[in-house]
Amino acid sequence: AQSVTQPDIHITVSEGASLELRCNYSYGATPYLFWYVQSPGQGLQLLLKYFSGDTLVQGIKGFEAEFKRSQSSFNLRKPSVHWSDAAEYFCGSAGGSYIPTFGRGTSLIVHP
Amino acid sequence: EAQVTQNPRYLITVTGKKLTVTCSQNMNHEYMSWYRQDPGLGLRQIYYSMNVEVTDKGDVPEGYKVSRKEKRNFPLILESPSPNQTSLYFCASSRGGGGSTGELFFGEGSRLTVL
Repeated sequence: AQSVTQPDIHITVSEGASLELRCNYSYGATPYLFWYVQSPGQGLQLLLKYFSGDTLVQGIKGFEAEFKRSQSSFNLRKPSVHWSDAAEYFCGSAGGSYIPTFGRGTSLIVHP
Repeated sequence: EAQVTQNPRYLITVTGKKLTVTCSQNMNHEYMSWYRQDPGLGLRQIYYSMNVEVTDKGDVPEGYKVSRKEKRNFPLILESPSPNQTSLYFCASSRGGGGSTGELFFGEGSRLTVL
């Protein structure tokens, strides 16, 4: 069975600093991978996704993620965080069954 | 506007009183799903549907029922709610086979409290 691990429950960064949110997946073959963001009181919005090809994926709002097969990771990055990026971030994967599985989420706190 | 609409957005009810949370999407998506979100547990899938009249259990189906009689609607039914079903519920839809496109469209959530 596939699973997704987000090791960090909370991440605190200063506005303007760089950001990296960690995500590890467990699946035998190459999964579909994605990141969603949940702003306070809102539903989830897709930031980016990886299916195949270039392992560095660009998303919306200046985010990017890199698929590393050797590390079973799909970490989310942003070079300069804005206060509006404060939100809950969910990493997910979908294997052969195409049924998405999500990690427990990482809460991003941005200090001014 | 493409959207997934859930109702009600907020509900307080009592143990044992049957309730239904409706979900409707206007994107002609085949795949629909229900999740519950609890602090520290992330999103857990309750039920999903690959198409009309095709439903299957997710990770936490106990205490819930669903039906998919029409493509656009996927209601979540709590026949006899209990306090451990107090949670934030999300409906989501996607074209094609479930998460194969990686893009689930989520509703805004329904916060349910069972006393």
